[in-house]
Amino acid sequence: AQTVTQSQPEMSVQEAETVTLSCTYDTSESDYYLFWYKQPPSRQMILVIRQEAYKQQNATENRFSVNFQKAAKSFSLKISDSQLGDAAMYFCAWYGNKLVFGAGTILRVKS
Amino acid sequence: GAGVSQSPSNKVTEKGKDVELRCDPISGHTALYWYRQSLGQGLEFLIYFQGNSAPDKSGLPSDRFSAERTGGSVSTLTIQRTQQEDSAVYLCASSRRDIRQETQYFGPGTRLLVL
Repeated sequence: AQTVTQSQPEMSVQEAETVTLSCTYDTSESDYYLFWYKQPPSRQMILVIRQEAYKQQNATENRFSVNFQKAAKSFSLKISDSQLGDAAMYFCAWYGNKLVFGAGTILRVKS
Repeated sequence: GAGVSQSPSNKVTEKGKDVELRCDPISGHTALYWYRQSLGQGLEFLIYFQGNSAPDKSGLPSDRFSAERTGGSVSTLTIQRTQQEDSAVYLCASSRRDIRQETQYFGPGTRLLVL
């Protein structure tokens, strides 16, 4: 069975600094997708970034980028120039035949 | 509306009662998903509808849970004979097609509390 592990229950970052959230996954499939979602207190899940496993190039969306290491089954999220609005729960997710989420990492941003 | 809507936003019920949770996906989205998020936990996949295909029910935790999608649009998740462990936030999401091709848009969720 596919599993997604987020080993950091909680992280803190100073405003304007950079933070990296970790995610590892376990799968035997070769074709899949990986996602990072942000869930603010409003409970809405917002897609932050996604990566197709067949693409070697790391996905980037403005201040958000990933470090995708397919052989190591690692998919970390880097947030640069952190802003107060980045404070939320972040979920890593794997999709092959269904969507599997990690337990989440709470990100706190200090001013 | 522009986004996925869910109702009610909060539901309190007594153990043993049945509840219905509603999801209105974005117009034109053929794929619809239900998830459950327990306190401090990640999202748990429940069921997936794609167009007219048979739904993927592999995530439903027990036969007390069922879901329908009428006319390829609105979906209802029904929990029969609710138990306290059913207390969670139930999230619905939709996408234009399969998540591989399209971004999944989430609703605000329904917070269910079973007393």
